[in-house]
Amino acid sequence: NAGVTQTPKFRILKIGQSMTLQCAQDMNHNYMYWYRQDPGMGLKLIYYSVGAGITDKGEVPNGYNVSRSTTEDFPLRLELAAPSQTSVYFCASSGQGGGNQPQHFGDGTRLSIL
Amino acid sequence: ILNVEQSPQSLHVQEGDSTNFTCSFPSSNFYALHWYRWETAKSPEALFVMTLNGDEKKKGRISATLNTKEGYSYLYIKGSQPEDSATYLCAFKGGTSYGKLTFGQGTILTVHP
Repeated sequence: NAGVTQTPKFRILKIGQSMTLQCAQDMNHNYMYWYRQDPGMGLKLIYYSVGAGITDKGEVPNGYNVSRSTTEDFPLRLELAAPSQTSVYFCASSGQGGGNQPQHFGDGTRLSIL
Repeated sequence: ILNVEQSPQSLHVQEGDSTNFTCSFPSSNFYALHWYRWETAKSPEALFVMTLNGDEKKKGRISATLNTKEGYSYLYIKGSQPEDSATYLCAFKGGTSYGKLTFGQGTILTVHP
């Protein structure tokens, strides 16, 4: 039972490079989320999706893009990496009902921008 | 921007102590309150989802209560063990925000043997 799978686990990028963080879930969940964790700041929502083809901005969307072409996958793209995007990124999913269902988290991607 | 605050920021207790911490959230437009346990180098894991005023949930030695009218939730750990050491996060969902949660900054609990 894989749950939420994130790849890669670690990555170092140079300023200005681009990359895509992958997230896949096998629980047939409609809702998916991307968070970033900064020290002392808890989890901040970047983008979320309520189903395939539907995405919306969270609290800190600038510098990121998402797509949701399938129920299973919710990739997060960084177009022009900046040092401020150094963080740990978590993908999560939840079942029908959204907010009254627990979120299931992936193991995170640790990203450093140098 | 919703304000979800947790206190204390960190807590050190001895093995066997009982402890509790607080999550404060907006008292209007309430939909659900989540608690997560987050161990170092792991991902957050759901403890409870609470939706009704007066709700009490229990899982082993951990329990939680909810007061939506005054906007707070307490998490209790009875007889703390070193393996309870983790960051405990609460997250608030308002009525119009689909599945979006607003997380507090967490309470870091360290249980000393």
